Formats: sequence, C-alpha cells, structure tokens
Amino acid sequence: GAVVSQHPSWVICKSGTSVKIECRSLDFQATTMFWYRQFPKQSLMLMATSNEGSKATYEQGVEKDKFLINHASLTLSTLTVTSAHPEDSSFYICSARDRRLAQETQYFGPGTRLLVL
Amino acid sequence: AQSVAQPEDQVNVAEGNPLTVKCTYSVSGNPYLFWYVQYPNRGLQFLLKYITGDNLVKGSYGFEAEFNKSQTSFHLKKPSALVSDSALYFCAVRRTGANNLFFGTGTRLTVIP
Repeated sequence: GAVVSQHPSWVICKSGTSVKIECRSLDFQATTMFWYRQFPKQSLMLMATSNEGSKATYEQGVEKDKFLINHASLTLSTLTVTSAHPEDSSFYICSARDRRLAQETQYFGPGTRLLVL
Repeated sequence: AQSVAQPEDQVNVAEGNPLTVKCTYSVSGNPYLFWYVQYPNRGLQFLLKYITGDNLVKGSYGFEAEFNKSQTSFHLKKPSALVSDSALYFCAVRRTGANNLFFGTGTRLTVIP
C-alpha cells in the first residue's frame, strides 16, 4: 500500500521557537495533503488542506500565520509551527491522497509528537 | 453538515469471540465511509472503505464492515478477535465531492486473552 512518512517523529522545543514538520508520500504523487491535530484520547481534528502549488485552506479557528503550510511538490508538504507555545503541544498527523485513484483513500503518516516547554 | 458517531468509547471482548465496533453517520448525498486503526503513538492505518457496490466490505486483517443505508450505519466486525487487534478504531466519512474526511471520536478496543 501507499506509504506516507513524517519527520521528525517527535520534537521537544523551547517556547517561542519554530518547528518544521515534513510529510512525504513515498511511492505515489499527492496533489492534496491534509494536516490533522490530535489531543490525548481525542479524535483527529483537521487543521488544513494543502494543495500542491497553491495556498492551503485552513479550517475555522486555525491560525494560518501560526501554522504555515507549504506544499512545494507532489510528494512533500511541510507544516511550520511558528513561535510555538506549550498549548501547541500535540500529536500532528499528515495524510495524503493518491491522485491516481478515482475514489481516493487517504493514507496517513506515523505522526509527529510535539512538546513545547 | 456531516457527522460521525461512535457511541462506545470502549469495547472489551474475549479473544476468539466476534467483535463489533459501531459507527453511524450523517451526511448529505452518498457517503464514502472508512475505518482506520491507530496503535499507540502511531498514525492511522487504513482498514477498509465503502464507496459503492456490495454493502459488505472486506478489509485488512480479517475485518469487515456492513453499510446499512436505512440505518445510516457502518459497523466494523471481525468473526474472531485477536489480542493484537487491541487498538483505537476510527470511523470516518467523506461527502461526495468534498475533499476531507470527518472522523468519529474513536473506540478503544481491548481484546482480553
């Protein structure tokens, strides 16, 4: 099946720093990638939809200036948490949809756990 | 608007017994329905999906799900549970023409040896 990777798998940073998370589709091209956030014992909440070559579409309540998304190629999307604060600590998961398939399935990365001190 | 309900936060079942994880949905138009499984500190793994066709869908690891349009349900089932099936299970729906998935709150399945 399709493989999506994320890097790093976990990161600890000081408050006020910026953190970049990469999401790659390894064996397929993804015109659309999604970024989710998951709090402990809760479901995934969609943060934004990332389209290759265009601006991301953010869900209501998600600050686009804080969570910068770049979808530079058909296999790479990045999420940058700018000026991170402890409340940004969470599990961030990306997913990608295979453009070849008519009724595409989303394939998920393994997630990145962010801890802001 | 679309929504997914997983009425049980926790399901416990003895190893070897059949298991069911419930999911009901609300969406306009024809739904695309999915089940994903999440192991601790891991991303989601795709199990199965219903797009069209047979109401009974077979997926990975022996799981299957039945689409019931009249009851707007898509319950996940397995005839004989394994201890290794213990994980968090998410039901998701995507409305026709929409871009993203909408997830339920998840059900934690524990298979007791």
